[in-house]
Amino acid sequence: KAGVTQTPRYLIKTRGQQVTLSCSPISGHRSVSWYQQTPGQGLQFLFEYFSETQRNKGNFPGRFSGRQFSNSRSEMNVSTLELGDSALYLCASSLEGGVDGAFFGQGTRLTVV
Amino acid sequence: SQQGEEDPQALSIQEGENATMNCSYKTSINNLQWYRQNSGRGLVHLILIRSNEREKHSGRLRVTLDTSKKSSSLLITASRAADTASYFCATDRNSGNTPLVFGKGTRLSVIA
Repeated sequence: KAGVTQTPRYLIKTRGQQVTLSCSPISGHRSVSWYQQTPGQGLQFLFEYFSETQRNKGNFPGRFSGRQFSNSRSEMNVSTLELGDSALYLCASSLEGGVDGAFFGQGTRLTVV
Repeated sequence: SQQGEEDPQALSIQEGENATMNCSYKTSINNLQWYRQNSGRGLVHLILIRSNEREKHSGRLRVTLDTSKKSSSLLITASRAADTASYFCATDRNSGNTPLVFGKGTRLSVIA
């Protein structure tokens, strides 16, 4: 069974630009959650999509958005990038929102310069 | 804000020793999970303990849960250099479809 695939693995962007990250969950999983990981703040929850609907949202500004497609693949977008957006972005795939365990991708390392 | 807080923040032990990490949380939960992360990579699910369970084993891992104290511990027995990683606890609040909330983790170093 293929794991969770995140693309790209690494990105370097300039302040003010926008970026789109992609996550392909495990086949059959309907829930995709996104997390931002930084050394100072740890793992911060961004949002969760379940069957194409945003079911939960963390405390991030509106520059952070996401969506989920009918095949459960998800994308997150960050507009008007700031230096503080540099982080490892992790996607987690699960059947019902992670309550019975979640499978993580390898992450996308975003560097904003 | 973090629901779970791991303690200690960092732990360094010799190969063959046991490693114990603790997690405290704030609200009622459905279950508590432990994850492991090797440097800069994704998290790997280790073990899940439900709120009505007190202890669970999986290989060299032993997890305990004390809901009265809102705390959990992860014991890794006979540690190996390959156990070097960061370990996180994650909880979901006992109220509907809430997301997993992670602590800041314990950084374990196992010295060969």
